[in-house]
Amino acid sequence: QVQLVQSGAEVKKPGASVKVSCKASGYPLTTYYLHWVRQAPGQGLEWMGWINPNSGRTNYAQKFQGRVTMTRDTSINTAYMELGRLRSDDAAVYYCAKEADSSGWYDYWGQGTLVTVSS
Amino acid sequence: DIQMTQSPSSLSASVGDRVTITCRASQGISNNLVWFQLKPGKAPKSLIYAASSLQSGVPSKFSGSGSGTDFTLTINNLQPEDFATYFCQQYHSFPYTFGQGTKLQIK
Repeated sequence: QVQLVQSGAEVKKPGASVKVSCKASGYPLTTYYLHWVRQAPGQGLEWMGWINPNSGRTNYAQKFQGRVTMTRDTSINTAYMELGRLRSDDAAVYYCAKEADSSGWYDYWGQGTLVTVSS
Repeated sequence: DIQMTQSPSSLSASVGDRVTITCRASQGISNNLVWFQLKPGKAPKSLIYAASSLQSGVPSKFSGSGSGTDFTLTINNLQPEDFATYFCQQYHSFPYTFGQGTKLQIK
């Protein structure tokens, strides 16, 4: 069965970077686009961008351009999201989500990774 | 960006009740809307896609309707496991945007 398993919680200092992984099982990562979404405490959900795991092509939300990098390692069926120059308002739960088909909705999500930003 | 306005923000109901949650888009999104359920510490679960199509494995107590700008999610015969937070999301255009969520609580 399809599963997306994310890496564990992270604590980072302001100005640092965090890299979250999302390991896919039950299907080839290259088959469907993978998106990243975050939810800050008490806030709504925010779309960060997507990666085409087959080509490596990415599309980032304007808000995160210049700070986010989405990559993948197809040999281990894993995608990554790295966010740099962390600020306190980047503290959030970060999710990866798999597109169901080319229409764009997500049929499977990762369990989330809590990122804490604190000096 | 397309704004998604979801209401109510919270809802109290009893086991066995039926509830309806609404989502309004700031511009037409055809039927490119998904509803999903979020529980603390768990992966979000997609329930309804294309506004009214039931995701595989999701019980038929969940139903969705709407097109264009106005959408609803209905949950029949509430059970304890249904008390969670529900979100709508548009995937009509980038950036994808979400409703603010509806927290469904036991009365």
